[in-house]
Amino acid sequence: EVQLVESGGGLVQPGGSLRLSCAASGFTFSDYWMNWVRQAPGKGLEWVANIKQDGSEKYSVDSVKGRFTISRDNAKNSLYLQMNSLRAEDTAVYYCAKRAGPYSYYTMDVWGQGTTVTVSS
Amino acid sequence: DIQMTQSPSSLSASVGDRVTITCRASQSISSYLNWYQQKPGKAPKLLIYGASSLQSGVPSRFSGSGSGTDFTLTISSLRPEDFATYYCQQSYSTPPMYTFGQGTKLEIK
Repeated sequence: EVQLVESGGGLVQPGGSLRLSCAASGFTFSDYWMNWVRQAPGKGLEWVANIKQDGSEKYSVDSVKGRFTISRDNAKNSLYLQMNSLRAEDTAVYYCAKRAGPYSYYTMDVWGQGTTVTVSS
Repeated sequence: DIQMTQSPSSLSASVGDRVTITCRASQSISSYLNWYQQKPGKAPKLLIYGASSLQSGVPSRFSGSGSGTDFTLTISSLRPEDFATYYCQQSYSTPPMYTFGQGTKLEIK
């Protein structure tokens, strides 16, 4: 079964750090781009960052540039999001999502269940 | 950046109704348009990719159309389990900085 399982969320004070993890199974993790997508309480979906198969390309939304770092360990079938200098507006459920290939128009076809990050004093 | 705009933001309909949701891109995205369904407390679920291709396992009452800047998601006959929030998303950008529409909440009338 193709599966993504996020972990690492929690309550953190403003200015603090947190590292999210996403464990992949059921597919060849190293063959695919991977994404982080977040959803603030009561709000819509926001793409956060993604990373190429070998980690050589990484992109992120402007609001997290310089604070969040996406990385992966293909040997461990794992995706990570290091979040520093956290702000209240980073409070959200964070999902990891697998990007499909070109024949599927690069859609996000597999999603994890999400992990909740709360930034509050 | 490519902006995605959905309409309406919310919609009330009855079981059995035909419903259409619209998504507009700020520039041409060819057919790189995807639709997701999200229920409260759950992860998004892929419904349609490439503007009109039905994801495996998704009921045929869901369909998508459009290309360029204007797209639609149609549910031909609403079932109770279809009441949810629907999002469009473009996967055209290079570099791949993807954006979502703001969502359409489909509620029971």
